[in-house]
Amino acid sequence: ETGVTQSPTHLIKTRGQQVTLRCSSQSGHNTVSWYQQALGQGPQFIFQYYREEENGRGNFPPRFSGLQFPNYSSELNVNALELDDSALYLCASSAPGTSGGRRETQYFGPGTRLLVL
Amino acid sequence: GQQVMQIPQYQHVQEGEDFTTYCNSSTTLSNIQWYKQRPGGHPVFLIQLVKSGEVKKQKRLTFQFGEAKKNSSLHITATQTTDVGTYFCAGIAGYSGASKIIFGSGTRLSIRP
Repeated sequence: ETGVTQSPTHLIKTRGQQVTLRCSSQSGHNTVSWYQQALGQGPQFIFQYYREEENGRGNFPPRFSGLQFPNYSSELNVNALELDDSALYLCASSAPGTSGGRRETQYFGPGTRLLVL
Repeated sequence: GQQVMQIPQYQHVQEGEDFTTYCNSSTTLSNIQWYKQRPGGHPVFLIQLVKSGEVKKQKRLTFQFGEAKKNSSLHITATQTTDVGTYFCAGIAGYSGASKIIFGSGTRLSIRP
């Protein structure tokens, strides 16, 4: 077990709705990254938060947004859901590094499987 | 934009045979990470390579980072049924918050007992 938890485990939404996914980081980890993993594909980097600030973003539209809280737990919000948003959403936490960058070991949570109908 | 290609997509081997997956980046990487994902599970960190030409071993697994820091490989000697899963490389370019981590599409390993 990595100590990273995510909720909910599964979710079904309809097109146009909004969804909030939650992640609780491993104790002492101040960096969290979110990924989208479509079936049969590798995880795609959505964004990273370091000490409550966004610290890098992948090629995802602004309707994907996030928050990191003082206790380093995190949320991923997706507005105006589209069918292609159906995927496994993974969060990964990492320990304090030199810049909150991407060189530290990442510990993934079990993911939230989102289905958009 | 930066791309990370991984081959083969699938590999089916007899237990005891060796397995290799290759990762190639379109740009020079600062470091590369390797992950294993079991069916229905989440990626689990295996190792990180940082130096040009670096080779690291973990029991039957050997990881290499190319001299140009644009390619990497994972080799498993004498596969066991516990090695089943999808192996991903993840390339990181840059050192600041503007850097991005790009995962390859993975190599799915299945094993005949």
